[in-house]
Amino acid sequence: GAVVSQHPSWVICKSGTSVKIECRSLDFQATTMFWYRQFPKQSLMLMATSNEGSKATYEQGVEKDKFLINHASLTLSTLTVTSAHPEDSSFYICSARTSSDNEQFFGPGTRLTVL
Amino acid sequence: GENVEQHPSTLSVQEGDSAVIKCTYSDSASNYFPWYKQELGKRPQLIIDIRSNVGEKKDQRIAVTLNKTAKHFSLHITETQPEDSAVYFCAALDTGRRALTFGSGTRLQVQP
Repeated sequence: GAVVSQHPSWVICKSGTSVKIECRSLDFQATTMFWYRQFPKQSLMLMATSNEGSKATYEQGVEKDKFLINHASLTLSTLTVTSAHPEDSSFYICSARTSSDNEQFFGPGTRLTVL
Repeated sequence: GENVEQHPSTLSVQEGDSAVIKCTYSDSASNYFPWYKQELGKRPQLIIDIRSNVGEKKDQRIAVTLNKTAKHFSLHITETQPEDSAVYFCAALDTGRRALTFGSGTRLQVQP
């Protein structure tokens, strides 16, 4: 099956710093990638949808200047959490799909802890 | 946009019993309904999905049914085992955004 990797798997940072998370599709070309945030004991909440070569579409309530998304190639999307604060601590998961199917393939997630 | 509701939030069954989780959705144009199993700290794993051109799909102990008229879909797990214990999420495709909207999750506990 299709494989999606994420890096790093966990990160601890100080309040006010920026953190970059990478999402890669390893064996297929991902025309669309999605970024989700999951707080403890809650569901996955879609943050944004990114299509290769174009600007990301953010969900209502998600600050695009705080959560910078870049989808520069068909195999890589990055999420940068700028000026992170403790309330940004969460599990961030990416997923990817091809242009021809609706099935999404999930990355292993990144646990962000902001001190 | 799509709205997905999932019930129950927790479900405890004895090993060998069946478990049923139900979801409703709002977007009548939705045509893809996956179910995911998520263990603590891990990625969601697709366990089964159904597309709107069929009413039921089965894979060994797992089955999903879809009622498009009522906008319901359900997950059925038979002969449950302790390793089935996890959180299960249903999802429906928001056709406008081609993105998945997830239900709130069901914590399934299978008692040995």
